[in-house]
Amino acid sequence: GQQLNQSPQSMFIQEGEDVSMNCTSSSIFNTWLWYKQDPGEGPVLLIALYKAGELTSNGRLTAQFGITRKDSFLNISASIPSDVGIYFCAGQGSGGSNYKLTFGKGTLLTVNP
Amino acid sequence: ETGVTQTPRHLVMGMTNKKSLKCEQHLGHNAMYWYKQSAKKPLELMFVYSLEERVENNSVPSRFSPECPNSSHLFLHLHTLQPEDSALYLCASRRWGGTDTQYFGPGTRLTVL
Repeated sequence: GQQLNQSPQSMFIQEGEDVSMNCTSSSIFNTWLWYKQDPGEGPVLLIALYKAGELTSNGRLTAQFGITRKDSFLNISASIPSDVGIYFCAGQGSGGSNYKLTFGKGTLLTVNP
Repeated sequence: ETGVTQTPRHLVMGMTNKKSLKCEQHLGHNAMYWYKQSAKKPLELMFVYSLEERVENNSVPSRFSPECPNSSHLFLHLHTLQPEDSALYLCASRRWGGTDTQYFGPGTRLTVL
């Protein structure tokens, strides 16, 4: 089946630093999504990307849908303590499989004040 | 995001118990999902319902029994579970078709003794 490689697995940064994480896939997706999950909560959608090459921002977050449709990255600028959590990428297929998401294993972000 | 609610938030049960997890969505969606989230693993899709019909059963053991009585409610009935079934169980919903993505509930933390 489809697999997503998400990296890094974890990051420890100082408040104010920028963060970058990415996902690569063995196959093409039509939609890339980035979620954040706080401890004890469900994933919350941060950014959705629908077109190859698309660059989308949501406040201090910026994500891009790779031209090959097999990768995506998420950047967080000027990190703050509340950015702590697990960030997941997810790919959504097309046609008969477009109701399913394939998830990466997540990037655990720790921000030191 | 409070559009998808799950109860209970925490559940401890013995291996011989029968319990049910409940999910309710208030987003006008018509597709609902159950996921299992275990430590250090990607989210595992369990079941998908579209318009109250099950469209996916991802090789889930029969001790997990889903029920979708209408497009707003989804249940997961549990019986004779094993300790390895302990995990966070997440419900999600979306509008079937198109590129709409999934919105998650806060999850039920299940512990099987």
